[in-house]
Amino acid sequence: KNQVEQSPQSLIILEGKNCTLQCNYTVSPFSNLRWYKQDTGRGPVSLTIMTFSENTKSNGRYTATLDADTKQSSLHITASQLSDSASYICVVWNDMRFGAGTRLTVKP
Amino acid sequence: EAGVTQFPSHSVIEKGQTVTLRCDPISGHDNLYWYRRVMGKEIKFLLHFVKESKQDESGMPNNRFLAERTGGTYSTLKVQPAELEDSGVYFCASSPFGENIQYFGAGTRLSVL
Repeated sequence: KNQVEQSPQSLIILEGKNCTLQCNYTVSPFSNLRWYKQDTGRGPVSLTIMTFSENTKSNGRYTATLDADTKQSSLHITASQLSDSASYICVVWNDMRFGAGTRLTVKP
Repeated sequence: EAGVTQFPSHSVIEKGQTVTLRCDPISGHDNLYWYRRVMGKEIKFLLHFVKESKQDESGMPNNRFLAERTGGTYSTLKVQPAELEDSGVYFCASSPFGENIQYFGAGTRLSVL
């Protein structure tokens, strides 16, 4: 069982809608938690990096939250755009544990 | 400024053959990482170079895999002999010393038949 579990596996939303992706982890302790966006055929691109003591971090329309007590993180995407279609990967930066990712599809 | 580049983008080889993947990090980046994603699974860490030294190679699956970074610039990852389960996408990433953000290459898709 992976120590970083992401849900849902895939998600389809309409353009302009908001969505929230989940990441539950069992890795502890860790130095930081990261969210990456990976377009098809490309390498992952960093969206946010949060240390253990941070609760939230934003990057434009992307907002990540972290609850160290419940070992949960979420990535909220506001006003989705077609270009948001990608895989979103959660990484717990202890010994670099990657989640399997959530495949997001934004439709017009 | 050029990003992290990986060669080749796709390699198809037969079981038992040897393949060498190359990664050119962003110029000046001391840290270089190798990862791989096997079909249907999450990305997994392989190893980490700081300049030419192996800082952490705990993720290397077995001794069929050999990574080098002579001179602390580009890196190669050799698989010899390749097995079917080695198929997947191999990513390289680099980062400057002391910085958290990693910059990934587009990956090399390895298919072992």
